[in-house]
Amino acid sequence: DADVTQTPRNRITKTGKRIMLECSQTKGHDRMYWYRQDPGLGLRLIYYSFDVKDINKGEISDGYSVSRQAQAKFSLSLESAIPNQTALYFCATSGQNARYGYTFGSGTRLTIV
Amino acid sequence: GESVGLHLPTLSVQEGDNSIINCAYSNSASDYFIWYKQESGKGPQFIIDIRSNMDKRQGQRVTVLLNKTVKHLSLQIAATQPGDSAVYFCAEWTDSWGKFQFGAGTQVVVTP
Repeated sequence: DADVTQTPRNRITKTGKRIMLECSQTKGHDRMYWYRQDPGLGLRLIYYSFDVKDINKGEISDGYSVSRQAQAKFSLSLESAIPNQTALYFCATSGQNARYGYTFGSGTRLTIV
Repeated sequence: GESVGLHLPTLSVQEGDNSIINCAYSNSASDYFIWYKQESGKGPQFIIDIRSNMDKRQGQRVTVLLNKTVKHLSLQIAATQPGDSAVYFCAEWTDSWGKFQFGAGTQVVVTP
């Protein structure tokens, strides 16, 4: 099994719909992150969580919300999806010493029509 | 990080040749750097890292060079193989941020 699992892998949904992307990890790490990737742009941080009770906004949190259900689970929600939220979304995890790198999931390709 | 835009820079390399991928990082206070490889349909994977007190680090077929004077990082891949086709991007760590900042990446295409 992968260290970081994201579901679904692909999703097409309509404008205005609520959608949840899920992430689970088996690394035993406290820190989890949600990133968005658009063509030609670097990964941009949406939300991050340093433990179950610590959730923080990233640089592009508007239009998104998150829930840290357990140490191993971190979900991202789009409350009312809009077309410019079409992107590739990655969940990542790191240990306390996050500088040594993140482990990424395989991504969710989300298309809003 | 790399230049921001709608299209990734592309490096076309013949199989067996060496590849050099460049990254301009943004913060002179960044003290740790990672190169990631992202294959189509997969998440980014760690390739190699380097601390700011080093100017070169070698791995298996890969070498990372760091020039702090001009805030430049490069990744050299020796004897490029078809399996090296991917997007490569750099990540910089600054303690004051407490998170990584990622470059946009370079698409490497290996031709036979």
